[in-house]
Amino acid sequence: QLQLQESGPGLVRPSETLSLTCIVSRGSISSSRYSWGWIRQPPGKGLEWIGNMSYSGSAYYNPSLKSRVTISVNTSKNQFSLRLSPVTAADTAVYYCARQRNEDYLDYWGQGTLVTVSS
Amino acid sequence: QSVLTQPPSVSGAPGQRVTISCTGSSSNIGAGYDVHWYQQLPGTAPKLLIFGNNNRPSGVPDRFSGSKSGTSASLAISGLQAEDEADYYCQSYDSRLSGYVFGTGTKVTV
Repeated sequence: QLQLQESGPGLVRPSETLSLTCIVSRGSISSSRYSWGWIRQPPGKGLEWIGNMSYSGSAYYNPSLKSRVTISVNTSKNQFSLRLSPVTAADTAVYYCARQRNEDYLDYWGQGTLVTVSS
Repeated sequence: QSVLTQPPSVSGAPGQRVTISCTGSSSNIGAGYDVHWYQQLPGTAPKLLIFGNNNRPSGVPDRFSGSKSGTSASLAISGLQAEDEADYYCQSYDSRLSGYVFGTGTKVTV
């Protein structure tokens, strides 16, 4: 069964860059059937789609975050990454990575990692 | 601010049937885009519950069912069990926003 695991700093200072990596195991990131995405959830609030990227490099971002977000895929390491910059306290959230099937639904999720933006 | 609206909470007794609505518009559900549902148990990541409006992934009990009509969709849980207490989210695609959108979320209490 496919597994995804987020990793990265749990604390980021305001105006700096949030960087997270999602390691994919028990499956390959190189498939045209899937894209690889990020979703976040502020404490006590709902889910927000951040963006996704296919293994071939086509990226799509939430318009409200587009100017600050970059998602990249590293097929040699079987992992993908998120960069968000600059950050503010409003970016404090649990960040999830997930596999998006057929540019549609999210069928596998990581366990999530809490990122707090604070000085 | 989500473009898919769900009731904040629904509740039911064990064994009862509850439904959760997901109301969209002509740029998402009404445009023909599929609706998917996720279950988020307390302190855990969301889990795919229904895909493509009314399909269950392997392992999801048939007590869960989905439907879609017009600009809305619904998730029904029959034979409600204590383990169904969770937050539920619908998800679709919005052509006006050019992105994927989630519903506001519904807390189910048993």
